[in-house]
Order: sequence, then structure tokens, then C-alpha cells
Amino acid sequence: KAGVTQTPRYLIKTRGQQVTLSCSPISGHRSVSWYQQTPGQGLQFLFEYFSETQRNKGNFPGRFSGRQFSNSRSEMNVSTLELGDSALYLCASSPEGTGYSPLHFGNGTRLTVT
Amino acid sequence: QKEVEQNSGPLSVPEGAIASLNCTYSDRGSQSFFWYRQYSGKSPELIMFIYSNGDKEDGRFTAQLNKASQYVSLLIRDSQPSDSATYLCAPGGAQKLVFGQGTRLTINP
Repeated sequence: KAGVTQTPRYLIKTRGQQVTLSCSPISGHRSVSWYQQTPGQGLQFLFEYFSETQRNKGNFPGRFSGRQFSNSRSEMNVSTLELGDSALYLCASSPEGTGYSPLHFGNGTRLTVT
Repeated sequence: QKEVEQNSGPLSVPEGAIASLNCTYSDRGSQSFFWYRQYSGKSPELIMFIYSNGDKEDGRFTAQLNKASQYVSLLIRDSQPSDSATYLCAPGGAQKLVFGQGTRLTINP
């Protein structure tokens, strides 16, 4: 079974621009979560989607948004990029996303904002 | 108080010894607990999960859970250099996992 696929692997953007990251979950997994990882803050929860609905959201500004499509693929968008948005963005999928089933992570997208 | 607290380390253990990693959490409603391992430059991978009080063993890994004390630990027996990584604890909650900062473990040959 194919794992979680994230594209692109690397991105370099300029302050003020916007960016869209993509995630394809494991086949059959309906829940997709997004995390931001930085050396100082660790892994921080952004949001979780299930059946095209956002069920949970972390403490990030409204510049961070996402969506999920009917095939469970998900996208994450960051508008008006700031230097502090430079991070590794990880997508993870699970069958039901109840918090009782483990997450399977993709390889991540490394975003650098200059 | 942070939701999940781990000793960030680095924790240095000689090869062949037992490595002990600890995690405390604040949400008394947490019913499941996950340990992930993350190698430098890689994404986290699941190594253990535990639901019940007590011990759960899987090969060289043992997870210990004490819900009354809100404490979960991971023991790695016969530590190998390949165990050198950051270990992340995550109590399971509704629709999301909240991760600790992780403990960086180094196994010295």
C-alpha cells in the first residue's frame, strides 16, 4: 500500500506570497491532519479534516487554511507568508482520525520563506 | 502547564544499556498513547501505542502507562546506535494527537 504522499518536497517563497501544499493520504484513510514542525516549537497541530469537513483546528492565525476533497486528498494554504512560517509541514492520515488510531506521516514539505 | 511534557535531552546511553524515556500529560481524558520515533531529516514513525494501564512489550521496546499519575514511559532494551533519534510522545484525544517536544536520544557505541 502506498504511503502518504506530500508535494512538493521543498519550496522557497518570498514574504507576502502565498503557498499551497498537497497531501494524498493512504488509500482508505479518511482523516488527514496537518502539523507544523520547527526546532523551537516542535510538532504543532494545524487542523484535521474528515470527509471534507474540518473537525479540529489548532492555534494558528487565519492565514493558515486547508480543505479536503471527496477523494480524501487535502491541501493546505498559507497566505501572506511571514519569515516565521519557515518550517517543515507534515501531513498525516489515519482511517478515522478519532485520536485512538495512529497517524501515518508523509515525508513533509520543507518551506523556506525569505 | 503544557499539554505534554518530555525531557528534551539530549539523553546519552551506552550501547547495550536500557534507555528510559518519560512523558507526562495534562488531559485526564486521554485514553490512548503513542510513541513515535523521528530520525534527523525524516518524518515521525509510529513505534508503540498503548491503551491500558501497565506494560506493553514489542521486541526491545516496552511502553508503561500509569493513568492515575498521567505518566507514560518508553524503555528501549539493548540499545543500538540505530536507536539514536528523537522520540515523541502523543496522548490521543478526539480528532487529534498533541505531541510533546520530544526527547533526543543518542546511543554511544
